[in-house]
Amino acid sequence: KQEVTQIPAALSVPEGENLVLNCSFTDSAIYNLQWFRQDPGKGLTSLLLIQSSQREQTSGRLNASLDKSSGRSTLYIAASQPGDSATYLCAVSGYNTNAGKSTFGDGTTLTVKP
Amino acid sequence: GAVVSQHPSWVICKSGTSVKIECRSLDFQATTMFWYRQFPKQSLMLMATSNEGSKATYEQGVEKDKFLINHASLTLSTLTVTSAHPEDSSFYICSARGPGSNQPQHFGDGTRLSIL
Repeated sequence: KQEVTQIPAALSVPEGENLVLNCSFTDSAIYNLQWFRQDPGKGLTSLLLIQSSQREQTSGRLNASLDKSSGRSTLYIAASQPGDSATYLCAVSGYNTNAGKSTFGDGTTLTVKP
Repeated sequence: GAVVSQHPSWVICKSGTSVKIECRSLDFQATTMFWYRQFPKQSLMLMATSNEGSKATYEQGVEKDKFLINHASLTLSTLTVTSAHPEDSSFYICSARGPGSNQPQHFGDGTRLSIL
């Protein structure tokens, strides 16, 4: 059974700081890994999708890496802003589940202080 | 980008009422849709997976007679919470995916259900 762990559970940083969020998974037989952002009381916004054959993806100030063999992914946020405050979730879609269902981590709640 | 519309966004109703939540993919064909439940300060818990034209596959512990899922077309799936009770109050989120398990999931904005 796939298990996804996100560390840290919460993070508070001053504005402008660069930061890294971590995601690890136990089963490397994956189709892809997605990073999402969730604001309080809202749905999920997809940030980056990394296919199993890829090593990283970039979008603006965000960079996500994937090391499938070690079961790890990182989300790097450059020059953080107060608007980046949210919960960040990673989700892994795997071969060993019917229809490639996704398994979610518990998330990292980020607070960027002005 | 791909857009998924979920409706309604907020429902408050009396115990015993049945509530229907709609999930629509607006600009792509969603061969697979997923329904999740999220309790406060917790991550998403997958309830069921539905493929267009087929019966939904429910996760262990999810009552299929309580949570009725219909995926009658490539753009619409519905979740009906039958005879809802206060313990069914939660945040329900759907996601949709195009053909192929390597495709990304696109999420709706969620439905906050409160049963009095």
